[in-house]
Amino acid sequence: EDQVTQSPEALRLQEGESSSLNCSYTVSGLRGLFWYRQDPGKGPEFLFTLYSAGEEKEKERLKATLTKKESFLHITAPKPEDSATYLCAVQALIQGAQKLVFGQGTRLTINP
Amino acid sequence: DTAVSQTPKYLVTQMGNDKSIKCEQNLGHDTMYWYKQDSKKFLKIMFSYNNKELIINETVPNRFSPKSPDKAHLNLHINSLELGDSAVYFCASSLRGGGSSYNSPLHFGNGTRLTVT
Repeated sequence: EDQVTQSPEALRLQEGESSSLNCSYTVSGLRGLFWYRQDPGKGPEFLFTLYSAGEEKEKERLKATLTKKESFLHITAPKPEDSATYLCAVQALIQGAQKLVFGQGTRLTINP
Repeated sequence: DTAVSQTPKYLVTQMGNDKSIKCEQNLGHDTMYWYKQDSKKFLKIMFSYNNKELIINETVPNRFSPKSPDKAHLNLHINSLELGDSAVYFCASSLRGGGSSYNSPLHFGNGTRLTVT
């Protein structure tokens, strides 16, 4: 059974203090690994898709990387508006429909 | 605005009642989903429809019945509500994936918070 574990569960940083979030996964044949951002009272918002080990993607202060067993979301010089819960998910395709298996998320707080 | 919209945003009801949640997307997607987020924030898939055809049906009590009148709409009807049904229910949509093509990401609505008392 596909499993995703994220760490830490919660992380508090000062503005400008860089760090990384971890997503470990076990899956039978990775088709895609997704990162989403979720703000309180909102639905998850897509950030990145990674498909193969060694792949990296960047968006503003965020960079996602992928190995065969885990993915990292690196946050460089974060700002308070980066505060959110970050969700990682692995994808299985069932007749074209995407079954995403999510981790429990990392709640990130950036203090000004 | 192009989006996935679901109604109502909040739903408070008593045990044993029947309720429905509606979802609509105007993104031109052909696949729609219901996910449930429990109190520990885990998001788990419940159902998926592609062009009105049920594709994914996870282990969900048969009190939950999805209905897709067309590819832009997916509703969720819940019979005989129980306390354990309290959660946030998210609708999502995407383009059908497959083959060697990259898969479009899921777009989520803002959720319906269901509270059963």
